Amino acid sequence: SQQGEEDPQALSIQEGENATMNCSYKTSINNLQWYRQNSGRGLVHLILIRSNEREKHSGRLRVTLDTSKKSSSLLITASRAADTASYFCATDASYGQNFVFGPGTRLSVLP
Amino acid sequence: ETGVTQTPRHLVMGMTNKKSLKCEQHLGHNAMYWYKQSAKKPLELMFVYSLEERVENNSVPSRFSPECPNSSHLFLHLHTLQPEDSALYLCASSQDLDGYEQYFGPGTRLTVT
Repeated sequence: SQQGEEDPQALSIQEGENATMNCSYKTSINNLQWYRQNSGRGLVHLILIRSNEREKHSGRLRVTLDTSKKSSSLLITASRAADTASYFCATDASYGQNFVFGPGTRLSVLP
Repeated sequence: ETGVTQTPRHLVMGMTNKKSLKCEQHLGHNAMYWYKQSAKKPLELMFVYSLEERVENNSVPSRFSPECPNSSHLFLHLHTLQPEDSALYLCASSQDLDGYEQYFGPGTRLTVT
């Protein structure tokens, strides 16, 4: 399986701190995406990073991709209580398999 | 609001019932997906449709039957489900397959009694 695996499974931080979540995968990919999910709701797309990119930014989000290590990280800076959610990475394999989601990281930002 | 709607939002059904989940996207996308999300398990891709043709069926039991009458609508017909089928069922769409972000609906919370 080329399933992404997020690390840690759960993360609890204080408001204003930075949160870093990692994703590892097993096979070559075309791109990797990060999604966010509030409890019991649908997923919301955050960032897509292609295999030839190393870093992307979107507002307070920064995503890195290291294809040599088959890993990605999502950094949320200056976290807010509203960032509390589960965060998933999804990988799109080079051989055309549709996205495979990891189990997610549950982030809790305490006010 | 992502442009993908799902109905109903909540459904309770007995094991002998027949019900259907509906998904509609207003984004002009060509690909649509059904996912199952159970507690403490990764999101599982069930079915993928591209231009109304099923392109992937990830070993889903036949008690789940998808239907895609056009590129804007996707159904999941349910028949003789088991309690372990209780989960959040998410629909998503994307512009095309391979490398496009997916837009998710709010999900249908299904409970099988």
